[in-house]
Amino acid sequence: GQQLNQSPQSMFIQEGEDVSMNCTSSSIFNTWLWYKQDPGEGPVLLIALYKAGELTSNGRLTAQFGITRKDSFLNISASIPSDVGIYFCAGPTGNQFYFGTGTSLTVIP
Amino acid sequence: NAGVTQTPKFRILKIGQSMTLQCTQDMNHNYMYWYRQDPGMGLKLIYYSVGAGITDKGEVPNGYNVSRSTTEDFPLRLELAAPSQTSVYFCASLPTALTYNEQFFGPGTRLTVL
Repeated sequence: GQQLNQSPQSMFIQEGEDVSMNCTSSSIFNTWLWYKQDPGEGPVLLIALYKAGELTSNGRLTAQFGITRKDSFLNISASIPSDVGIYFCAGPTGNQFYFGTGTSLTVIP
Repeated sequence: NAGVTQTPKFRILKIGQSMTLQCTQDMNHNYMYWYRQDPGMGLKLIYYSVGAGITDKGEVPNGYNVSRSTTEDFPLRLELAAPSQTSVYFCASLPTALTYNEQFFGPGTRLTVL
């Protein structure tokens, strides 16, 4: 199957700091998706990217579709305590979705 | 709309037992998925369905079976539970494969096999 690797694996940051994380794949994707999973919940879609080089924002979140189509990046600006959770990238291929290994974010007030 | 509901929330099985994880959605979505999430890992696709009567294997289908007799329901069956099937199971649905913004996940079923 497809391998999607995310880094860093975990982050501990102070409230108000900016956050950057990335996702790399061994294969090309035509779409990149970013999700957030709160503890004990299912993932929720944050941002969908459809074109290489595309930069898309959702509030304080900004994601980019890498020009090689093998990577994607997520930035969170001015983090707040409710940003805590696990962030996953995913790449759909046909009818299937492949998820990354996740980046766990802890925000220290 | 209740969205995607999963039952049970928690279950402990003994090795060799069988059980069915239930998933129901009330959004008339055609596409439904079953994933498993092991600790510290991402989601792995077990099976998916693009409509009633149609199912297909994902990345990790061994040890599981599914059926899709109605649009609303997509149960996942474990026939002979093994410790390797200890995981959190998520069901998801969306109208079609490209309608990512309308994708919803259930709250998950936490399964332990001892």
